[in-house]
Amino acid sequence: AQSVTQLDSHVSVSEGTPVLLRCNYSSSYSPSLFWYVQHPNKGLQLLLKYTSAATLVKGINGFEAEFKKSETSFHLTKPSAHMSDAAEYFCVVSDPAGTYKYIFGTGTRLKVLA
Amino acid sequence: GAVVSQHPSRVICKSGTSVKIECRSLDFQATTMFWYRQFPKKSLMLMATSNEGSKATYEQGVEKDKFLINHASLTLSTLTVTSAHPEDSSFYICSAAPGGEQYFGPGTRLTVT
Repeated sequence: AQSVTQLDSHVSVSEGTPVLLRCNYSSSYSPSLFWYVQHPNKGLQLLLKYTSAATLVKGINGFEAEFKKSETSFHLTKPSAHMSDAAEYFCVVSDPAGTYKYIFGTGTRLKVLA
Repeated sequence: GAVVSQHPSRVICKSGTSVKIECRSLDFQATTMFWYRQFPKKSLMLMATSNEGSKATYEQGVEKDKFLINHASLTLSTLTVTSAHPEDSSFYICSAAPGGEQYFGPGTRLTVT
């Protein structure tokens, strides 16, 4: 069975400082992994995805994530936070067995302090 | 590309009435669509998998008679909340999967009074 754990429900950073949002996964197969962002009362926006190509994945808005199989992690980072980054972030693992189901983490709310 | 729309974006209905939410893939065809429900400040909960031309597959605990799903074409799936009650108030999000990746709609905010 697959699962995904977001280790922090809330993260606060100061504007201009680095962002680290942590995600660990469990999968019997080689997983596909995604990070999505959701601003208040909005839908989901794909930040980046890992699908067994390069382990360091670059996404939109300066975000990137590194797939580490030995640590079963897929942490999301950004060198310098911007006020507009304040939102809810979801780590997602996809079922590779052909059902296309997504398993969502519980989310991490990022707060950016001025 | 890969745009998914939902209609309406917001709906308010009275308790006991039914509400239909449409999910459309605008520039691609999708044999599989998904319906999610999101409670305030919570993650997305998969309700059902909708397959074109066949019955939807519901997740455990989701009432199939209450949440009717129809996937009549490769670009349209509908979710009907029947006999809605205040506890059905939520944010409903659909997605379409033309291949291995899902593309999400903007969501529908349902408020039942």
